[in-house]
Amino acid sequence: ELKVEQNPLFLSMQEGKNYTIYCNYSTTSDRLYWYRQDPGKSLESLFVLLSNGAVKQEGRLMASLDTKARLSTLHITAAVHDLSATYFCAVISNDMRFGAGTRLTVKP
Amino acid sequence: ETGVTQSPTHLIKTRGQQVTLRCSSQSGHNTVSWYQQALGQGPQFIFQYYREEENGRGNFPPRFSGLQFPNYSSELNVNALELDDSALYLCASSSQQGNYGYTFGSGTRLTVV
Repeated sequence: ELKVEQNPLFLSMQEGKNYTIYCNYSTTSDRLYWYRQDPGKSLESLFVLLSNGAVKQEGRLMASLDTKARLSTLHITAAVHDLSATYFCAVISNDMRFGAGTRLTVKP
Repeated sequence: ETGVTQSPTHLIKTRGQQVTLRCSSQSGHNTVSWYQQALGQGPQFIFQYYREEENGRGNFPPRFSGLQFPNYSSELNVNALELDDSALYLCASSSQQGNYGYTFGSGTRLTVV
């Protein structure tokens, strides 16, 4: 059974700092997704990673995928308060399985 | 291009009742997936429909059932509601087997009392 693990589950960081969120998964997959969720809201698609070595960047967020290590990372550069949200990775096997989410708080 | 729309947005039901949630997929998308998200947790896969056929199911009992219509819209039906069914129910549509990502609706918040 596909398992998806994210860490950390909670992250409090200062504005201007950098940090990385990790997503490990247990079975072979070549599609990984990152989503953002604000409190009480639905999921907003951030990145779709479709192949080994894929790297995508949007603003202060950069995501990468290593299918051999079954690992994806979401790197945050020079965090700002607006990035405060919960971030989920999700992996496709027969269906899409989500990690438990990383609740990010960016403090001034 | 319209996104994914879900109805209703909020719903309160009594234990033992039945509920139907609706989802209109994004234009051009032929696949709809349903997820249950309990408070503070990640979404859990319920099932997926592709061209009106169930195309995968998560670890949910048979009282969770669904339909997809020829226009690719979908329904989620839950019978014999239990208190633990209280959650945010999310619908997501996709095309090309999700290679371009899944678009999520705003969800239906179901409360069972």
